[in-house]
Amino acid sequence: QLQLVESGGGVVQPGRSLRLSCAASGFTFNTSAMHWVRQAPGKGLEWVALIPFDGTNEYYADSVKGRFTISRDNSKNTLFLQMNSVRVDDTAMYYCARALGDFALNSWFDPWGQGTLVTVSS
Amino acid sequence: DIVMTQSPDSLAVSLGERATINCKCSRSVLSSSTNKNYLAWYQQKPGQPPKVLIYWASTRESGVPDRFSGSGSGTDFTLTISSLQAEDVSVYYCQQYYSTPITFGQGTRLEIK
Repeated sequence: QLQLVESGGGVVQPGRSLRLSCAASGFTFNTSAMHWVRQAPGKGLEWVALIPFDGTNEYYADSVKGRFTISRDNSKNTLFLQMNSVRVDDTAMYYCARALGDFALNSWFDPWGQGTLVTVSS
Repeated sequence: DIVMTQSPDSLAVSLGERATINCKCSRSVLSSSTNKNYLAWYQQKPGQPPKVLIYWASTRESGVPDRFSGSGSGTDFTLTISSLQAEDVSVYYCQQYYSTPITFGQGTRLEIK
């Protein structure tokens, strides 16, 4: 069945780096655009980044632009989020999700992974 | 950015009764070229990731019970649960995918009265 499994979360100090991974199975990963979405503890959902199926033209929320990089390895069915210069307000559950819809930029999310928790604290 | 505002923030409804959640967009998410509304609804249960219920404002995802329905167009949308079941206790979010950045409503917490 369709499955997304995130990993790489943990506790990290402000200003440091962390790399999240998302392993996909059960669907054709190399034809699917992919997103990262985050949710701070007890808060709502915030879209973070999008990468088209072929890895071109990445898109980011203003809150992470210049600090985070989304990438993918289609040969390994894996999505990544490189988080640099992390801040306390980056603390959140990070979900990867497949994009569905007419175009990558105009997509809803299904399925979602279970998430990986990132805590930024000194 | 398109700002999504849900109402109410929380809602308590008796079992078997109708629940209605509203979502207002700061500008239209109706495309004149496709005649589609770029709006989705999600359900999130405690400790779980969100699950899509509705997309294109009114298309129910496969496997979603038919007591869930979506309506509206342009800037104003509604998620209706026709007969509330205990398992529907969740937080519900609307999401626009008309333009980047993709944005969500703040969420509506639905409880049993």
